[in-house]
Amino acid sequence: GAGVSQSPSNKVTEKGKDVELRCDPISGHTALYWYRQSLGQGLEFLIYFQGNSAPDKSGLPSDRFSAERTGGSVSTLTIQRTQQEDSAVYLCASSSFSDTQYFGPGTRLTVL
Amino acid sequence: AQSVAQPEDQVNVAEGNPLTVKCTYSVSGNPYLFWYVQYPNRGLQFLLKYITGDNLVKGSYGFEAEFNKSQTSFHLKKPSALVSDSALYFCAVRDLRRGGADGLTFGKGTHLIIQP
Repeated sequence: GAGVSQSPSNKVTEKGKDVELRCDPISGHTALYWYRQSLGQGLEFLIYFQGNSAPDKSGLPSDRFSAERTGGSVSTLTIQRTQQEDSAVYLCASSSFSDTQYFGPGTRLTVL
Repeated sequence: AQSVAQPEDQVNVAEGNPLTVKCTYSVSGNPYLFWYVQYPNRGLQFLLKYITGDNLVKGSYGFEAEFNKSQTSFHLKKPSALVSDSALYFCAVRDLRRGGADGLTFGKGTHLIIQP
């Protein structure tokens, strides 16, 4: 079946611009996760959604980062006023409740 | 808090030889352990997991991992390496008591290089 999909695959933006990254989880998966992979920090957990429950935002690196999940399915990660240190690969994963997480291909974000 | 250590940045193995990629972990409760593999410019692919039960877990592509509670280790192994196994390998842990709320904590990753 279809796996986790993410769009765009690559995004180049200028410092100070806002960006939106999209994740389509595996159909039927109730849990959705965002991670960031960068050379300096490795793989960092950002945020977790379980169904329609309000997410725990404490893992987000700054208040410029926000995420939402509409209808318990598609999720959007928004970064406002991007900075060069935001450059990274943003990975999305989904799972059945608390089970194995399956990852999408990622969005490579480059902030110039 | 939970943490994972992968002590080797790189492991070099000749094709056909057995391979081991090391991982140790720390969690407050019982661990939920994973191995993922990442090929260049790709996302993470799930290899195997341990929750409870047999300490030796078998996964995809002939890989297996051994859970050792006393040593808090979860080393990845394969009896005979293939050149196509060359990739970046990540060990990850989650505390079972927390459900999914903390996400996965990953190690730094180990580059596995299989030489023909």
